[in-house]
Amino acid sequence: DIQMTQSPSSLSASAGDRVTITCQASQDITNSLNWYQQKPGQAPKFLIYDASKLATGVPSRFSGSGSGTDFTLTISSLQPEDIATYYCQQSHNLPLTFGGGTKVDIK
Amino acid sequence: QVQLQESGPGLVRPSETLSLTCTVSGVSVSSANFYWTWIRQPPGRRLEWIGSIYYNGSANYSPSLKSRVTISADPSRNQFSLKLTSVTAADTAAYYCARLGAGVPVIFSWGQGPLVTVSS
Repeated sequence: DIQMTQSPSSLSASAGDRVTITCQASQDITNSLNWYQQKPGQAPKFLIYDASKLATGVPSRFSGSGSGTDFTLTISSLQPEDIATYYCQQSHNLPLTFGGGTKVDIK
Repeated sequence: QVQLQESGPGLVRPSETLSLTCTVSGVSVSSANFYWTWIRQPPGRRLEWIGSIYYNGSANYSPSLKSRVTISADPSRNQFSLKLTSVTAADTAAYYCARLGAGVPVIFSWGQGPLVTVSS
């Protein structure tokens, strides 16, 4: 199985800050990396696919980058509605596997 | 708008079978564009893919659960189902049904993910 490692596991930032979350795969997954946002009490929502392509309706302050084994999710200007846990997921091989999540809070 | 809704018991006894059904609206489970998928999340732990079924009935399962899992679909009711046998407390989790793209393998839609507790 491909192991996905996210860091940090949690962070606290001020509104308007730039926030960066990293995800590392245990082997080369080319660009087969997706990001999801899960707000408390809700199901996850898909944000980014193929490492850098924004899902329809996702604000442009979200962006993704990377290829191979190292990937990044960036929120350019953190908003209160971005409080959530963010997960990466590889779609390169079965079984599909997820990162451990990054919980984002507002200071 | 595509919606998925899980149904089934919230409490299962150890050694028994966990059974959940997902009712889909807004798209047919007979569509060749998607895999119908189950994912779970034990409390405080990461999301875990359980398995997926395609419109033609072919299914793939997580190697760690394969011996205990069956996913099936009922196109006449636009539903798909999960059966997990011989459950233990380690199977306590929120269980999500989901729509996974066939061309772009991303999870486009999720159900609400009810908690299923395994306890006597």
